[in-house]
Amino acid sequence: EAAVTQSPRNKVAVTGGKVTLSCNQTNNHNNMYWYRQDTGHGLRLIHYSYGAGSTEKGDIPDGYKASRPSQENFSLILELATPSQTSVYFCASGVGLGGAETLYFGSGTRLTVL
Amino acid sequence: QQKVQQSPESLSVPEGGMASLNCTSSDRNFQYFWWYRQHSGEGPKALMSIFSDGDKKEGRFTAHLNKASLHVSLHIRDSQPSDSALYFCAASLTGNTRKLIFGLGTTLQVQP
Repeated sequence: EAAVTQSPRNKVAVTGGKVTLSCNQTNNHNNMYWYRQDTGHGLRLIHYSYGAGSTEKGDIPDGYKASRPSQENFSLILELATPSQTSVYFCASGVGLGGAETLYFGSGTRLTVL
Repeated sequence: QQKVQQSPESLSVPEGGMASLNCTSSDRNFQYFWWYRQHSGEGPKALMSIFSDGDKKEGRFTAHLNKASLHVSLHIRDSQPSDSALYFCAASLTGNTRKLIFGLGTTLQVQP
């Protein structure tokens, strides 16, 4: 079974602070994704990566940066956290071709920005 | 407007019963359809995919796709309490997973 590990599991941050969410996958998948999940909006794509050194903007990238320093690690960075970024964040890795790709999700990070 | 719409929002069935979940897309360019399941406190997990018109069966789960009507459904036979979860329909265009669009989900409760 594919393994995607996120840390921390819960995080409380202050407005204006910097937050880094980490994701590690041991599946050797090229593609990795960051989503946020909110009631009424479902899962929305923030950033994604096709491999080490690459990051691409998803559908809601504003206020977020991403970093993919290696095949295994993909981070989401909130340079100046705002209360509107309070959400549950999921990292996923993907295997397969194009639209037929299966995504493997981590257990999520619950972020609260006060 | 949500491009992938799911119904009902919530559903309750007795243990051993049949659960039917529906999904309609508004974009005829969607070619690939997925069902993901999310148990409380966990991340979503891919349940099954369907790419061609007709039925696809995997154990107690059957997906049905009708591209002409932009409709995909999931039927769970002999529902178990462990099937209680949030079910997402997701659709993508040919060749690009970053275009994977999720619906808002259907919450299924299986009553023992």
